[in-house]
Amino acid sequence: EIVLTQSPGTLSLSPGERATLSCRASQSVSSSYLAWYQQIPGQAPRLLIYGASSRATGIPDRFSGSGSGTDFTLTISRLEPEDFAVYYCQQYGSSPYTFGQGTKLEIK
Amino acid sequence: EVQLVESGGGLVQPGRSLRLSCAASGFTFDDYAMHWVRQAPGKGLEWVSGISWNSGYIGYADSVKGRFTISRDNAKNSLYLQMNSLRAEDTALYYCARSSGWYRDFDYWGQGTLVTVSS
Repeated sequence: EIVLTQSPGTLSLSPGERATLSCRASQSVSSSYLAWYQQIPGQAPRLLIYGASSRATGIPDRFSGSGSGTDFTLTISRLEPEDFAVYYCQQYGSSPYTFGQGTKLEIK
Repeated sequence: EVQLVESGGGLVQPGRSLRLSCAASGFTFDDYAMHWVRQAPGKGLEWVSGISWNSGYIGYADSVKGRFTISRDNAKNSLYLQMNSLRAEDTALYYCARSSGWYRDFDYWGQGTLVTVSS
């Protein structure tokens, strides 16, 4: 099973700042089958990024993903108030699919 | 509009069974793999089980293997999760989600159904 470790656990930033979230895998994620999801409290997760760097339909271009192998990054270039949420990475290249433990992005 | 609507959750005693359903609409159901993902109160996401479009591929998390069974009925546009021998640690919000293939991201999620296992 591939274990995903996200850092930091909590990130405190202000609107307009840049956010950088990390996801590290215990072994290489095949074909960059790595996704990022956003979850606002009380809502279902929403797909942001798939294939490590492709934005899902309707996702603003301030969200970008990068990385390969075992190290992946989600960057939000300029934080909007609606971006403060919990973010999860997920690998779907091997079963069982696994999620990271999440990074909470909070308003400073 | 894609819709996934879960049902069947509730309060159940340890050791008992429960069957969850997910009704799909707004897309061609048998073009997609389907999954169950759960989230314990205040915790993160855990993939529970997945099934390919024709039920040819089925997978389970180790935590539920041998106790849960996933199935689908393409004629009814429905996904199911039969949960037996329930434990307190199965208490969670259960989401169904779709993916365009077996090794694909989960692009739409339902709103979830809550399962509480307690005596």
